[in-house]
Amino acid sequence: QKEVEQDPGPLSVPEGAIVSLNCTYSNSAFQYFMWYRQYSRKGPELLMYTYSSGNKEDGRFTAQVDKSSKYISLFIRDSQPSDSATYLCAFRTGANNLFFGTGTRLTVIP
Amino acid sequence: DAGITQSPRHKVTETGTPVTLRCHQTENHRYMYWYRQDPGHGLRLIHYSYGVKDTDKGEVSDGYSVSRSKTEDFLLTLESATSSQTSVYFCAISDASGYEQYFGPGTRLTVT
Repeated sequence: QKEVEQDPGPLSVPEGAIVSLNCTYSNSAFQYFMWYRQYSRKGPELLMYTYSSGNKEDGRFTAQVDKSSKYISLFIRDSQPSDSATYLCAFRTGANNLFFGTGTRLTVIP
Repeated sequence: DAGITQSPRHKVTETGTPVTLRCHQTENHRYMYWYRQDPGHGLRLIHYSYGVKDTDKGEVSDGYSVSRSKTEDFLLTLESATSSQTSVYFCAISDASGYEQYFGPGTRLTVT
């Protein structure tokens, strides 16, 4: 079993839709939970970062963590064509190195 | 890309050739990392550095070596490139907390 599982998609939604992206993990030592966005042929950029169970909001983005189920989600409200990218979940133990999901490719259709 | 540059951006090389990739940062961050990104595997850590001359192995370090002689530069060397090392290589940096890692633009390496 991989430490991190992420549905690769692709996921296609109409503009304005709510998008739900998910990852599951098996390593109980993961303490920090992140979402990165990666545009084609670019480096990943950090979107959201949290270390506790519950929800964290930032504009149209909400990160949700359920440690008991080892499940994290990223919700995008009022999705825009500019949100079209690959979204990567990432996890960290107490050390600095990150463990990434394989990414979900999202396309928002105008 | 948070003051991070990578060079070269693209490289094609032959099997058995040594290759060095360079990462340069202007943020004065303590930690630097090298990842590779492959379809179906996501990003995987190769090596990281927690200070000048201080480095450690990551998940996929076989066939790679690194050096850091200055805070701003982190070099990744493939001593004898193989086709399995064809990949996109990303450098990342973070401060001592490690809470946020910032990635460079990537180097696309093809080994023929």
